[in-house]
Amino acid sequence: DAGITQSPRHKVTETGTPVTLRCHQTENHRYMYWYRQDPGHGLRLIHYSYGVKDTDKGEVSDGYSVSRSKTEDFLLTLESATSSQTSVYFCAIRESGVRDSPLHFGNGTRLTVT
Amino acid sequence: EDKVVQSPLSLVVHEGDTVTLNCSYEVTNFRSLLWYKQEKKAPTFLFMLTSSGIEKKSGRLSSILDKKELFSILNITATQTGDSAIYLCAVEGISYSGGGADGLTFGKGTHLIIQP
Repeated sequence: DAGITQSPRHKVTETGTPVTLRCHQTENHRYMYWYRQDPGHGLRLIHYSYGVKDTDKGEVSDGYSVSRSKTEDFLLTLESATSSQTSVYFCAIRESGVRDSPLHFGNGTRLTVT
Repeated sequence: EDKVVQSPLSLVVHEGDTVTLNCSYEVTNFRSLLWYKQEKKAPTFLFMLTSSGIEKKSGRLSSILDKKELFSILNITATQTGDSAIYLCAVEGISYSGGGADGLTFGKGTHLIIQP
């Protein structure tokens, strides 16, 4: 499982509340990513990080923010959750120092916004 | 903007059949094309194809990359019920910003069902 832990595994929250999802890795990889997966859309990149405090936006970043204060943790925050953010969220890492290495994914967080 | 189109979106075959899944793409400064298998949880990595590696094979699965025509295929021979899954194709372009690894652009996937 590439040493990736996502928490929580499931969450139900109400519209308008803030929500934070956590991705934790144990192998000090430099690159970390947040994707969401929705029927009919596949996996879409939200934000990514290329080091501590180094982050950038992906394709669908509106309504989301991220933070990476330690190498091992990458947090995704929904500032004010909306029903359109109901989705499965996957964190991924890329092995450092390996040329052309693939992304490896965590087991996902299923978020329902009511 | 990078783009990946997979076909078919769904496919039902019988155990023992051979299947071919298609992936066409558009990407700026091609770096790699990847195939993943997704069952109930996380996508799991199958193959990475690059300019220096346009054919890959592992057991009953194989993949080729055509950089001229901008497509890839994933072949599965002698299919088994355990091959039932969503197969995802993704591409990555060479990035000169963001630390040099912007992430993958995925297609919508092919949902493959193998009937006994």
